[in-house]
Amino acid sequence: GQNIDQPTEMTATEGAIVQINCTYQTSGFNGLFWYQQHAGEAPTFLSYNVLDGLEEKGRFSSFLSRSKGYSYLLLKELQMKDSASYLCAVRYALGSSYKLIFGSGTRLLVRP
Amino acid sequence: GAVVSQHPSRVICKSGTSVKIECRSLDFQATTMFWYRQFPKQSLMLMATSNEGSKATYEQGVEKDKFLINHASLTLSTLTVTSAHPEDSSFYICSARTLPSNTGELFFGEGSRLTVL
Repeated sequence: GQNIDQPTEMTATEGAIVQINCTYQTSGFNGLFWYQQHAGEAPTFLSYNVLDGLEEKGRFSSFLSRSKGYSYLLLKELQMKDSASYLCAVRYALGSSYKLIFGSGTRLLVRP
Repeated sequence: GAVVSQHPSRVICKSGTSVKIECRSLDFQATTMFWYRQFPKQSLMLMATSNEGSKATYEQGVEKDKFLINHASLTLSTLTVTSAHPEDSSFYICSARTLPSNTGELFFGEGSRLTVL
């Protein structure tokens, strides 16, 4: 079956760096996504990895190791507005279609 | 990014009634839309895949007669919660993917919070 694990909660200080890990077990892997979700709002797309390595986009970077079934999201220069849930999602092939499943999310609290 | 709009954003209904939630892709055509459900402090659970012009594909454990999905056009999918009960109270979110897309990321609607009394 498909399974995604990520920590439930993390706390960090404004201006610091935080790394949110995600491990997954899936067949037919076809890409890993990170989404940000503020309370009561819909998720917004942050990053996408399909090949091994690091993808950098401003203050956010995402890393993928397919052989290890591992990804992390790195947030630099943390701001208060970064307090949110961060969802790791894996896309996998199922027959002729693709599905996207989400991890349980990591709630990040940024303190002053 | 692409815009997906949901309506209503909040709805309160009595137990036993039916509620319809609309999901529209505003600036692109979506042959496939996805319906998710999210309980408080939990992640999104895929309920069904909505295909334009054909029947929806439901995930295991999701009652297709209770959660009716219609995808009548390339820009509109609807989810109808029939004979709603308090346990159906949840945050329902639709999403769609634009094609062609380098990443194939999903764009989400604003979500609809359903409260069944």
